Amino acid sequence: GAGVSQSPSNKVTEKGKDVELRCDPISGHTALYWYRQSLGQGLEFLIYFQGNSAPDKSGLPSDRFSAERTGGSVSTLTIQRTQQEDSAVYLCASSLSSSNQPQHFGDGTRLSIL
Amino acid sequence: AQTVTQSQPEMSVQEAETVTLSCTYDTSESDYYLFWYKQPPSRQMILVIRQEAYKQQNATENRFSVNFQKAAKSFSLKISDSQLGDAAMYFCAYISNTDKLIFGTGTRLQVFP
Repeated sequence: GAGVSQSPSNKVTEKGKDVELRCDPISGHTALYWYRQSLGQGLEFLIYFQGNSAPDKSGLPSDRFSAERTGGSVSTLTIQRTQQEDSAVYLCASSLSSSNQPQHFGDGTRLSIL
Repeated sequence: AQTVTQSQPEMSVQEAETVTLSCTYDTSESDYYLFWYKQPPSRQMILVIRQEAYKQQNATENRFSVNFQKAAKSFSLKISDSQLGDAAMYFCAYISNTDKLIFGTGTRLQVFP
């Protein structure tokens, strides 16, 4: 596709359930990033992939959060045993490589935990 | 640790006028990049302008320009001839060799006709 694609666009789930968020980066982009944006806040870095490996997982808030990337393309962010504080917009971005190339963002997934 | 500060939670401007959004940052790195991103209600983060720290010349993109003061660690965005479509949240962001963007908390820009 022409841009970064994220699904679902919106997700409402009950506290304690697991959720999976998907990101399909721009074709040919080797670097992929996940960010979280809480209401009225800036973006908080979660994790970064270069190819299929994650050199920097420092932003993952807890061990309930995990992410993987397969085939150097699609990535999934999984949140287990969701809590209300996990409610946020989760944004994915990709870039041609790392090293300061502009990051192109998807439209995000709005996650609401009841 | 690197930080990015946007001290203006909200700004407003009249259509066709000029507005400047402020951003300061803190880093011990000498090589880095700075960005301004625009986020309309659609949520997508749109790159507005990019500045390499090693370049003294201020970046410009049509009606958007920056005032980059490296010594002062200041990176303000000037929007000239403001249009209704410029209304959005604007985020200043920093990146160095860690490869993760560090964002400010944003400035909400309103444009009045």
